[in-house]
Formats: sequence, C-alpha cells, structure tokens
Amino acid sequence: GQSLEQPSEVTAVEGAIVQINCTYQTSGFYGLSWYQQHDGGAPTFLSYNGLDGLEETGRFSSFLSRSDSYGYLLLQELQMKDSASYFCAVRELSGNTPLVFGKGTRLSVIA
Amino acid sequence: NAGVTQTPKFQVLKTGQSMTLQCAQDMNHEYMSWYRQDPGMGLRLIHYSVGAGITDQGEVPNGYNVSRSTTEDFPLRLLSAAPSQTSVYFCASSMTSGVAGRELFFGEGSRLTVL
Repeated sequence: GQSLEQPSEVTAVEGAIVQINCTYQTSGFYGLSWYQQHDGGAPTFLSYNGLDGLEETGRFSSFLSRSDSYGYLLLQELQMKDSASYFCAVRELSGNTPLVFGKGTRLSVIA
Repeated sequence: NAGVTQTPKFQVLKTGQSMTLQCAQDMNHEYMSWYRQDPGMGLRLIHYSVGAGITDQGEVPNGYNVSRSTTEDFPLRLLSAAPSQTSVYFCASSMTSGVAGRELFFGEGSRLTVL
C-alpha cells in the first residue's frame, strides 16, 4: 500500500511564495499528481510529475524526487484566490490501481 | 460539455434507509471511482472500477455497493444508511488506470446527511 504525508495547514502572505510538501511511502508508482479544492467545490487537477524534476505551469510548479520519496507544490505570487486545499496523489504501478490521495493541506492566503 | 455528472447534489436520509448516488461520465473513460470526504480526512476511496463489469474495493468499502454495467455509469448504493455515512461523496473518472489516467475528473459532489 501507499501513504502520503502533507502538512495540514499553511498560511502565507499575498504576493509571497509558498511550498507544500508531500512525502510518500510506496514501492513504485506512475507519478505524483496535485489537486486543488476550493471550499464547497470539487477537486481539480493541477499538475503531474512522471519524472524527477520540476514541472512549471504559470505561477504553479511541482517537483518530484523519487530517490528522496518527496515532492512539493510551489505557488508563486500568491493571490487570495489561491486559498484552498491542496492534495498530492499517487497511483501504484502494480496492476489496475486507484489514485490515492494525501489528507490535504489547507492554504490560507492573508493580506 | 457535461464531464462527470452526479445526482443528487443534496440528500437527507433517515438511519436504515437505502439510496443510490448516481454518477455518469460522457468522456468514454475506462476508470471510475467513488470517494468520500470528511473534515480533516481528505479523500478516501470507497470503490473503483477499471472497466465495465469490473469493480474493486477501496479503503472504506463497508456499507456501500457498486456496479458497472456500462462504461458511462457507476452508481453507489448505500444499503442501510448510518449517521457515520454523513459525508460529501465525489465520483471521479479518468481515461485509464495507468499513466494515461493521471488526470482525474471529478463530479460536483453529493452532500449526504443521515439522521
């Protein structure tokens, strides 16, 4: 099985940079995904790292290091609308496996 | 552009009642799944399916049944509702269960209260 650990809450100032970490324990997986969920809404896909390294999509970047069993989501130029919960997720390699999520990190952006 | 459609959006049940949460997707996705979300618990997998006629249990399957008779539909049945099943339920689908299925598309959620 797999387990993913994330901080439960993070607070950051508008305009700043914040990093949300995800550590995991799994024997092998396709890649690390990140999802965003605003209060009352559904999760939406943000990014995916299949290989080690940094993936950039606008203000958001995501990083994976398989050797360190670690990844992170980096949000730059924070805006109030970035206040949301962020989830990391993995899907194991063996057979037909489901996507399993971490418990999520609630990001609060303050003025 | 419907995507993943869940019904109903809100439901109140009494303990012991049964009901079905409907989920349909129009993207011809092979993989479909049901999650429940409770405060502080993240998204916990209830059941999933990798194709028509194939279902499997997730982390918290007790008290729930599923079936997958068509590619499009994946209903979740609560056999005898309990207050512990009060939650927000999300249906989600992806192209496959492998690397091509890295993006999961979610429905808007169904908010269930069991009294």
